[in-house]
Amino acid sequence: AQKITQTQPGMFVQEKEAVTLDCTYDTSDQSYGLFWYKQPSSGEMIFLIYQGSYDEQNATEGRYSLNFQKARKSANLVISASQLGDSAMYFCAMRSGTASKLTFGTGTRLQVTL
Amino acid sequence: GAGVSQTPSNKVTEKGKYVELRCDPISGHTALYWYRQSLGQGPEFLIYFQGTGAADDSGLPNDRFFAVRPEGSVSTLKIQRTERGDSAVYLCASSSRPGTGISYNEQFFGPGTRLTVL
Repeated sequence: AQKITQTQPGMFVQEKEAVTLDCTYDTSDQSYGLFWYKQPSSGEMIFLIYQGSYDEQNATEGRYSLNFQKARKSANLVISASQLGDSAMYFCAMRSGTASKLTFGTGTRLQVTL
Repeated sequence: GAGVSQTPSNKVTEKGKYVELRCDPISGHTALYWYRQSLGQGPEFLIYFQGTGAADDSGLPNDRFFAVRPEGSVSTLKIQRTERGDSAVYLCASSSRPGTGISYNEQFFGPGTRLTVL
């Protein structure tokens, strides 16, 4: 079975600072993909970044980067230069093996302060 | 272009009633997913369609839940004899192809339907 663990229910960060949101995963499959989604108060899930299990380089998308440590089974999201608009729930998710569905963690609520 | 749309945005019903939730995926997307998000939790998978057929319904909690996608586009999630525990946000997502495991294939989510069972 696949499992995603996000141990930080809430995080605060000051505007313009960087923040790391933790995610660990568990799967017995060798092939898997890791995703991060942002969910603002409006409720819609917004895709941020993807990392494949065989990717040797950490994924980056603008201010988002994924710190992928395969041996530790962690896929932390790093947001650089935080903005007030980054305040939202952030979910880590995984798709593994032959499954097409995503398995999500419980999320981290990020609050960006002035 | 238009994203995934879901109707209604809110649905309030009484325990024991039947409800239908609709999802319009992005045009041309062959894969469609339903998830349920309870308060304070991440989305939980319910069912996945590839075209008209349900390719994976392992997440449906019991036989009160059923979903269809008769023409391979719009999908309807049907809940019979609703219970208070069914109260949640029901999310629909679509993707251009199913994708498995390692394949990069983004799922685009709709805004959800908030179901409240009184």
